[in-house]
Formats: sequence, structure tokens, C-alpha cells
Amino acid sequence: SQKIEQNSEALNIQEGKTATLTCNYTNYSPAYLQWYRQDPGRGPVFLLLIRENEKEKRKERLKVTFDTTLKQSLFHITASQPADSATYLCALEGNFNKFYFGSGTKLNVKP
Amino acid sequence: EAQVTQNPRYLITVTGKKLTVTCSQNMNHEYMSWYRQDPGLGLRQIYYSMNVEVTDKGDVPEGYKVSRKEKRNFPLILESPSPNQTSLYFCASSKNRRDYEFYEQYFGPGTRLTVT
Repeated sequence: SQKIEQNSEALNIQEGKTATLTCNYTNYSPAYLQWYRQDPGRGPVFLLLIRENEKEKRKERLKVTFDTTLKQSLFHITASQPADSATYLCALEGNFNKFYFGSGTKLNVKP
Repeated sequence: EAQVTQNPRYLITVTGKKLTVTCSQNMNHEYMSWYRQDPGLGLRQIYYSMNVEVTDKGDVPEGYKVSRKEKRNFPLILESPSPNQTSLYFCASSKNRRDYEFYEQYFGPGTRLTVT
């Protein structure tokens, strides 16, 4: 089955800086990849989707890149704010419409 | 308001006592799915359904059952719960992918289950 790796260590950054989170996957390359945000005790909320033929996707302060050669996606939050503190999950669809999620990276933005 | 609802939100039960967690969505989505979330393991897919009467196993289906008799509902059944099924459960729904059109999943608020 597909395996997704995200940095399990929390990422601590200062307000205003750019946060960069990494998602690596094994096995075959998916047609697209998604990023979600999860706050404590709540369900994940969709943020961005990037297709395999797209190098980069942006939405406001968020940017996602997708490198199918490296089997990696990077998720950037520019001008980070304390309200961005949460756990960020990457997800992809594997064979037969199954979904796989990474374990998430916790982001702490300090004022 | 577009949403996925789950009930109950919290449940403490004993080993072997059958239980059902309900999931309902009001977005007319074809695809519905159940996940469990455990510390360090992330979200793992239990079962999913592409449409009414169509269900398939995810990565961790053992000990669970599902049914999809109506498009809006996708209950998760634990016929004989065991302590290793203590977890946080999420239901999700989305449109089915069509050719090169892909869609996000909408998640419910979660059900925290403890089996003693």
C-alpha cells in the first residue's frame, strides 16, 4: 500500500516567517495530492489540491509544490500567524479509490 | 449548511458489546469513508463507499462493518468491540472523481470511542 511520511517533530517558527512542511510518499505517484489542516479535537479541513502536472499551486498565503521525481510535496505558509498553529496533513488517493494520509506535522507559530 | 454529522461524539463501552456510529452528509456526495486516527499513525482508512450498495475495504477493515443503503448515510458497525479499537473516528464524504476532476473530502467532527 501507499506510504506517506511527514515530519513528526513539531515545527516552531516565529510570527511573520515562512513555514515549510514536507510530505514524502513511496510507491507509485498519485494523480494529485491534497493538504488538510486539523485543529485539536476537530476533523481535518481541506486547504489545497495539486495535480501531478502542476508544479505549484497558490491560495492566499499558502503555496504547495509537487515534485513527482522526488516523490515529494512541500507546503508553505508565508507571513505566518499564531492562528496558523495547527497540524497539517497531506493525503493522496491510491489504487481503487483508497485514500492515504500522513500522520501530520504540528506547526507552532509564536508571536 | 453543508456538513457531515456523526453520532455519538463520545462513547465508552465494554468489550464485546455491539455498537453503531452513525454518519450522515447533506451534500449529495457519492463517496463516503470512515477513518480512525491514532497518535503517531495518522488517519487510516477503514472502509469506503463509492455509492449506494457499493462498499470496499480500506487499509484497516478488520473488526468493522459498514453499510450504504442510502446515499446520505454510512454507519460504522463494531460487532464485537475490543480495546484495540479505542480510537478517534472520522467520517468523510466527497464527490467521486471524474476523469481528471478531483475533489476534497469533508470531514465530520469525530467520535471518540473507548472500549474497556
